[in-house]
Amino acid sequence: NAGVMQNPRHLVRRRGQEARLRCSPMKGHSHVYWYRQLPEEGLKFMVYLQKENIIDESGMPKERFSAEFPKEGPSILRIQQVVRGDSAAYFCASSPGPGGEKLFFGSGTQLSVL
Amino acid sequence: QQQVKQSPQSLIVQKGGISIINCAYENTAFDYFPWYQQFPGKGPALLIAIRPDVSEKKEGRFTISFNKSAKQFSLHIMDSQPGDSATYFCAAGHYDMRFGAGTRLTVKP
Repeated sequence: NAGVMQNPRHLVRRRGQEARLRCSPMKGHSHVYWYRQLPEEGLKFMVYLQKENIIDESGMPKERFSAEFPKEGPSILRIQQVVRGDSAAYFCASSPGPGGEKLFFGSGTQLSVL
Repeated sequence: QQQVKQSPQSLIVQKGGISIINCAYENTAFDYFPWYQQFPGKGPALLIAIRPDVSEKKEGRFTISFNKSAKQFSLHIMDSQPGDSATYFCAAGHYDMRFGAGTRLTVKP
């Protein structure tokens, strides 16, 4: 049973480009969470999604950032017109149901904006 | 708004010693309090967790102490080992976890 799969592991973008981060949850998990981690900081909640629905996006910047979790396929975190301040590690986690229990994290995508 | 405050930021302990990391939360609606361990280049992994209906939970060398009235909880690592060297995050929440800033633990041989 594969864990939470994130790709790419490393992503380099120039300012103004778009970044697409993918997350395939664990088998049987229909709840996905995205977190951002800056160096020497904790994980900042961004968004919580269920299949085809955004449940809570209170941690997501209002502009340039969007997330989806379609009926088929991975969850996507999309950052448009990236800036240097977007450089961070982005982690995806999944769980089989609502609630924080049984939350499993992927290995993250390290985004570097040049 | 920082909903979970964690201390210390870094901790150095001798092998065999006790490591203690503290967290405080603000939102009384939080009902799940996990601790995560993260190694470099990896995602956080659940270590141990507690719900507010108990004051302590022990799993092997790891113990969570929970004080509901003070809105505080702590992680104790007994007989700390060099392999425990990692960053530890406390978290609190309901369905979406809010994380502390992390504690970098170094256990010296």
